[in-house]
Amino acid sequence: AQSVTQLDSQVPVFEEAPVELRCNYSSSVSVYLFWYVQYPNQGLQLLLKYLSGSTLVKGINGFEAEFNKSQTSFHLRKPSVHISDTAEYFCAVSSMDSSYKLIFGSGTRLLVRP
Amino acid sequence: KAGVTQTPRYLIKTRGQQVTLSCSPISGHRSVSWYQQTPGQGLQFLFEYFSETQRNKGNFPGRFSGRQFSNSRSEMNVSTLELGDSALYLCASSTTDMLEQYFGPGTRLTVT
Repeated sequence: AQSVTQLDSQVPVFEEAPVELRCNYSSSVSVYLFWYVQYPNQGLQLLLKYLSGSTLVKGINGFEAEFNKSQTSFHLRKPSVHISDTAEYFCAVSSMDSSYKLIFGSGTRLLVRP
Repeated sequence: KAGVTQTPRYLIKTRGQQVTLSCSPISGHRSVSWYQQTPGQGLQFLFEYFSETQRNKGNFPGRFSGRQFSNSRSEMNVSTLELGDSALYLCASSTTDMLEQYFGPGTRLTVT
């Protein structure tokens, strides 16, 4: 079985500052990794995904994430945030073992202040 | 290309009633998954349908059921509603392999 841990429930940051949202996972098999963003009163939007290949993955809105197999991490980064990045961010994992259903972390609320 | 649509967007029901939620996937997508989102339990997988067959199921009681039609549209039903069923119900569609799931805006169900 897989699990996902997002240790930070909320991350406050000033506009134009860099940010890192942490995600660690647990799995005994190979996994696929995802970051989703949820704006208020909306569904989830896929930011980026790691399926295979290069461990540095670039996504939409200037976000990127790095897959680190030895540390079982998939941290999300952005070099300069905007007020509009304020949202809830979810890390998720899937695998063939779990029939590709998404297993989500508890989410991190990114709060960007002017 | 139109995204995933869910109807209704908001719903208020009374304990003991039943409810049906609808999801229309992106054109060409044959897999539809349902997730429940609550403040306490977070995002949890309910079930997934592919070509009118339930392919995966999460750990929810039998009161939660679903189906998929030949046009890939899906419905989920919750019978004998409980207060704890109040949640945002999200539908996601994908191609065969489920590796990239596209979510709808959700249906906010409130049980009173």
